Amino acid sequence: EVQLVESGGGLVQPGGSLRLSCAASGFIFSSYEMNWVRQAPGKGLEWISYISGSGSTTYYADSVKGRFTISRDHAKNSLYLQMSSLRAEDTAVYYCTRRVGRSFDYWGQGTLVTVSS
Amino acid sequence: EIVLTQSPGTLSLSPGERATLSCRASQSVSSTYLTWYQQKPGQAPRLLIYGASSRATGIPDRFSGSGSGTDFTLTISRLEPEDFAVYYCQQGRTFGQGTKLEIK
Repeated sequence: EVQLVESGGGLVQPGGSLRLSCAASGFIFSSYEMNWVRQAPGKGLEWISYISGSGSTTYYADSVKGRFTISRDHAKNSLYLQMSSLRAEDTAVYYCTRRVGRSFDYWGQGTLVTVSS
Repeated sequence: EIVLTQSPGTLSLSPGERATLSCRASQSVSSTYLTWYQQKPGQAPRLLIYGASSRATGIPDRFSGSGSGTDFTLTISRLEPEDFAVYYCQQGRTFGQGTKLEIK
């Protein structure tokens, strides 16, 4: 059974940093492209970052470019999102998602990041 | 960048009725890349339809997708109580703003 379990969310002050983790199981992690998608409270879905199966290619939404870094560790079957210079508008539930074709076929339960003083 | 516009914003229907949700793209997109998701309160989105018309594993056949070019449709043939949720279309990195399907 495919499972994606995020962790690392919490309350952080503006300008602070946080690292999110996503533990993957039930599939060959290195074979799949992975993404982070977020959802601000009461709002829609926003794609924020992509990483290829090998980890050699990454992409970011303009809203987070230069502040967030996506990475993966195949030995730990884990996906990460290092977030820095956090702003109030980064407050959201962050989902780890697996990509197949052009769709996100599995999603984690999400982890809430709140940026507030 | 492609913009996806979903309509209506909110759709109020009764169980047993037919639901038709629209997703319009700002420019022509390949049907291969059009996806629909369902999201219930407090839950992660769930993949419903990929490639515009293919149901994901475990999705009931009352859900169907159609369309091409700039206009795509998600149809729920006969609404069940568990179908009331928010539905999003997606193409590439872009999501539509969602349609909330609520009980009338």
